[in-house]
Amino acid sequence: EVQLVQSAAEVKKPGESLKISCQASGYSFTKYWIAWVRQMPGRGLECVGIIYPGDSDTRYSPSFRGQVTISADKSSSTAFLQWTSLKASDTAMYYCARYGQSFDYWGQGILVTVSS
Amino acid sequence: QSVLTQPPSASGTPGQRVTISCSGSSSNIGSSSVTWYQQIPGTAPKPLMYNSNERPSGVPDRFSGSKSGTSASLAISGLQSEDEADYYCAAWDDTLRGPVFGGGTKLTVL
Repeated sequence: EVQLVQSAAEVKKPGESLKISCQASGYSFTKYWIAWVRQMPGRGLECVGIIYPGDSDTRYSPSFRGQVTISADKSSSTAFLQWTSLKASDTAMYYCARYGQSFDYWGQGILVTVSS
Repeated sequence: QSVLTQPPSASGTPGQRVTISCSGSSSNIGSSSVTWYQQIPGTAPKPLMYNSNERPSGVPDRFSGSKSGTSASLAISGLQSEDEADYYCAAWDDTLRGPVFGGGTKLTVL
């Protein structure tokens, strides 16, 4: 059974760093893209970026390039999304999803709250 | 602004048929398949349609999809109260080299 299990909710202050994770199981981790999707409160879905763990090919949506870093660890079948300096506007639910020709499996989501 | 354009809202009464449109360009819908997702507030999105008109197992055949040129649509027939949710389209974009979403359509069952 394919599963994507995300780390717990986070509460951070502006300027702090953060790395959230998404552990995959039930399929070959290196053979599918993993996407990170942001959903701000009351808003729609936005693709932050995608990574292909097989060769670490990483692509960012224009709005997120330079703002976050996506990485993956093949040995633990885990993908990561990280910030070096959080802003209040980063407050959102972040989902990871497996991407083949569609977002076919989703994690449960991580609520990231950034507030002073 | 989302790369794919959807109407912000749609509505219908139980038993009716409603359609939700998704408009893009030659670099996304025009050159790749469209996928659709249903999101009940407070839950993760659920895949509803892939390859523009194929349903994952478990999705009722009341849901159907179509694509023509740079536009796609999702149709829901025999509308039920549990269909009240947000619906999103998505497609691969060759220019951006990644998937893009529509802005979402909130479906209300009156």
